[in-house]
Amino acid sequence: DTGVSQNPRHKITKRGQNVTFRCDPISEHNRLYWYRQTLGQGPEFLTYFQNEAQLEKSRLLSDRFSAERPKGSFSTLEIQRTEQGDSAMYLCASSFGQGAEETQYFGPGTRLLVL
Amino acid sequence: SQKIEQNSEALNIQEGKTATLTCNYTNYSPAYLQWYRQDPGRGPVFLLLIRENEKEKRKERLKVTFDTTLKQSLFHITASQPADSATYLCALPSSGGSYIPTFGRGTSLIVHP
Repeated sequence: DTGVSQNPRHKITKRGQNVTFRCDPISEHNRLYWYRQTLGQGPEFLTYFQNEAQLEKSRLLSDRFSAERPKGSFSTLEIQRTEQGDSAMYLCASSFGQGAEETQYFGPGTRLLVL
Repeated sequence: SQKIEQNSEALNIQEGKTATLTCNYTNYSPAYLQWYRQDPGRGPVFLLLIRENEKEKRKERLKVTFDTTLKQSLFHITASQPADSATYLCALPSSGGSYIPTFGRGTSLIVHP
């Protein structure tokens, strides 16, 4: 399977714990995006990388959220001190960005439940 | 920033009919607009992109229109099938020159056999 993969698919954690999600993009894609999606809403942009550079992170929901893409390949999204309001689907997408238009390819998502 | 409106109520239609979904946007006019399909528990899947200078675009049973005067896109599925049941999301660049998309909340389509 050469699509975008995300691990784990599901995560249940207790409030206050830290969680980390991994995304493996399509191999030739240079851009990688993280989104959050809650029930009944569309994906909400969080941050993105072009290769290993994080070009936009002002939309991360709080300073408890951080993301890395150390070698320009896979990426991780970490949430520290989780809160119940962090419960959502976290989606990763990748694209081969060459201009203003681009199509994003999404992974299956990681569903987080904070108890 | 861009605001997108999609009908939050589910659209229920009979198999074989044409489904029409609406996406309205405010603020600036985007250079292009995209439609995605999302099944429950899955990530969105890209369907079609239409540019501002294109009035209509087709792909198999899908047709998208883009009216920059009305600030509206219509998404049609002809000869609908139960397998078309899903949520359909509209996405636009979040601002002029940006390729970071803003997504609408999506409209759920239910095709009854």
